Amino acid sequence: DTAVSQTPKYLVTQMGNDKSIKCEQNLGHDTMYWYKQDSKKFLKIMFSYNNKELIINETVPNRFSPKSPDKAHLNLHINSLELGDSAVYFCASSPGGTGNNEQFFGPGTRLTVL
Amino acid sequence: GENVEQHPSTLSVQEGDSAVIKCTYSDSASNYFPWYKQELGKGPQLIIDIRSNVGEKKDQRIAVTLNKTAKHFSLHITETQPEDSAVYFCAASIYSGYALNFGKGTSLLVTP
Repeated sequence: DTAVSQTPKYLVTQMGNDKSIKCEQNLGHDTMYWYKQDSKKFLKIMFSYNNKELIINETVPNRFSPKSPDKAHLNLHINSLELGDSAVYFCASSPGGTGNNEQFFGPGTRLTVL
Repeated sequence: GENVEQHPSTLSVQEGDSAVIKCTYSDSASNYFPWYKQELGKGPQLIIDIRSNVGEKKDQRIAVTLNKTAKHFSLHITETQPEDSAVYFCAASIYSGYALNFGKGTSLLVTP
């Protein structure tokens, strides 16, 4: 009964490769997010989707492309991986609309680029 | 854009003492201020939040205060326990469903 799940939990890959991280939420939420946590634990928003539509795209390189096939899923594809992409990536979701919009975070995917 | 400053970066207290973490923000349009707790190897988890129309909110041993004029808000944990040891993040946003701007985190250690 996991609320927000991510796969894989760990991802080790070589520079220049292309990889994807998947996220699924079973909470019926309308809004999903990707955050990046660097080695100093700083959390920064990357993208936000509402009902499968992109609503926030922070200053993230074009090598990062989110895809939302339906409102329960938000995947992150990364092309031409660089050393600086090494981080923990967190997916989150929230109900959307007005009212209480607590963001629920997934367990994270630790990406290591060698 | 919004800039959230958080202090201290590390905090060590004895079990039973109180812990206070302070944050300031720059964007007067921010109206939603959540606090998250992150345990090792896990995702952040919301512990308490406050909106700009409220000055203080309490939930058992945890309380948050907000001074919108001064643009600062604080987390207070009373009667700390070893299981409170974790990294705590403050955040600010224009509303609760929007992207969160996080502070840099406070590593809290509660020693028995």
